[in-house]
Amino acid sequence: DAKTTQPNSMESNEEEPVHLPCNHSTISGTDYIHWYRQLPSQGPEYVIHGLTSNVNNRMASLAIAEDRKSSTLILHRATLRDAAVYYCILRNTDKLIFGTGTRLQVFP
Amino acid sequence: EAGVTQSPTHLIKTRGQQATLRCSPISGHTSVYWYQQALGLGLQFLLWYDEGEERNRGNFPPRFSGRQFPNYSSELNVNALELEDSALYLCASSLRVGTYLGNQPQHFGDGTRLSIL
Repeated sequence: DAKTTQPNSMESNEEEPVHLPCNHSTISGTDYIHWYRQLPSQGPEYVIHGLTSNVNNRMASLAIAEDRKSSTLILHRATLRDAAVYYCILRNTDKLIFGTGTRLQVFP
Repeated sequence: EAGVTQSPTHLIKTRGQQATLRCSPISGHTSVYWYQQALGLGLQFLLWYDEGEERNRGNFPPRFSGRQFPNYSSELNVNALELEDSALYLCASSLRVGTYLGNQPQHFGDGTRLSIL
């Protein structure tokens, strides 16, 4: 399974944009890039996913590099509720393989 | 739309006992996945059920088993409980459209916390 690399932690202030990076240099052509987040005491929450083109939904945007070896999850205006561990996952099979993710802290 | 529901929220057992955890998927979802989140080990894939059949399992011993019912709900059974089985057990569900699963997001419940004394 292809591996992803994320920073251990990041910080942001409320109402500022947040760019969470993910490197996946060994990505294969059939791998979708998925992002999940896990708030304290909750199960993981699906955020967004994409294959080649940039994607937007009500939660976030996903920017995918042209060579697909990296991607960035963009939270347009961080809120305190966005404080969570964010996981970037490559998926082409049934299971999700979670790494250690990025712990995002949001300050008021 | 109701999300994935898991029961019980907490479960306390002693070593050697058996535990049964339950999961109801989102309506219309036929695939159910089980994950274990133990302290210091992160989230690890346990089992995948689809259309009543076990389709894949992770690197866990056979005392971890389960089943999926005709209404697509699922049970996870853990026999001969050991101290290291203490963890948060998460269930997720997804649509299964065709044979390629990479494009289907999984939606998680909030888990059952299993504590072994």
